[in-house]
Amino acid sequence: KQEVTQIPAALSVPEGENLVLNCSFTDSAIYNLQWFRQDPGKGLTSLLLIQSSQREQTSGRLNASLDKSSGRSTLYIAASQPGDSATYLCAVQAAGNKLTFGGGTRVLVKP
Amino acid sequence: DGGITQSPKYLFRKEGQNVTLSCEQNLNHDAMYWYRQDPGQGLRLIYYSQIVNDFQKGDIAEGYSVSREKKESFPLTVTSAQKNPTAFYLCASQPTSAGTDTQYFGPGTRLTVL
Repeated sequence: KQEVTQIPAALSVPEGENLVLNCSFTDSAIYNLQWFRQDPGKGLTSLLLIQSSQREQTSGRLNASLDKSSGRSTLYIAASQPGDSATYLCAVQAAGNKLTFGGGTRVLVKP
Repeated sequence: DGGITQSPKYLFRKEGQNVTLSCEQNLNHDAMYWYRQDPGQGLRLIYYSQIVNDFQKGDIAEGYSVSREKKESFPLTVTSAQKNPTAFYLCASQPTSAGTDTQYFGPGTRLTVL
């Protein structure tokens, strides 16, 4: 059974620092890995989707890498801003198209 | 506006009652999903549907039921058999079941049992 783990569970940084969020998964037979953002009491917003054949994806200040063989992904957010404060969730999609989610990393960027 | 909507935003249920959560999408997506989120945790899959008139159980289907009579709609019923239903419920849709697209999420319904 696929298990997804996110470390750390919470992270607090001063504005301007780079953020590094980690995600690991146990079964490398995946179609893709996705990073989502969730604001308190809201739904999820897709940030980046990395297909299993890709090594990384970039969007603005966000960069996500994928090492399928070791079961790891890292989300980098450059030059963090208070507006980046949210919970970040990673999820892997495998056979049956079901997403398996990690527990999330709650990020606070202090002005 | 295209999107996925959920209603109501907040729902209160007395013990022993069944309640139905609405999920509608006008994105013409084939696949739809229901997830449950407990405080400080990730999402867990309740039910999913890849096509009209077909649906499958997810990881935590006990105490829940769904229907998919129309492509646009995927309502979730929380029955009295669900012993701990207080949670945040999220609906999602996906263009196809091919596994190459992201899922699009609604704003969620917070269910509280009184």
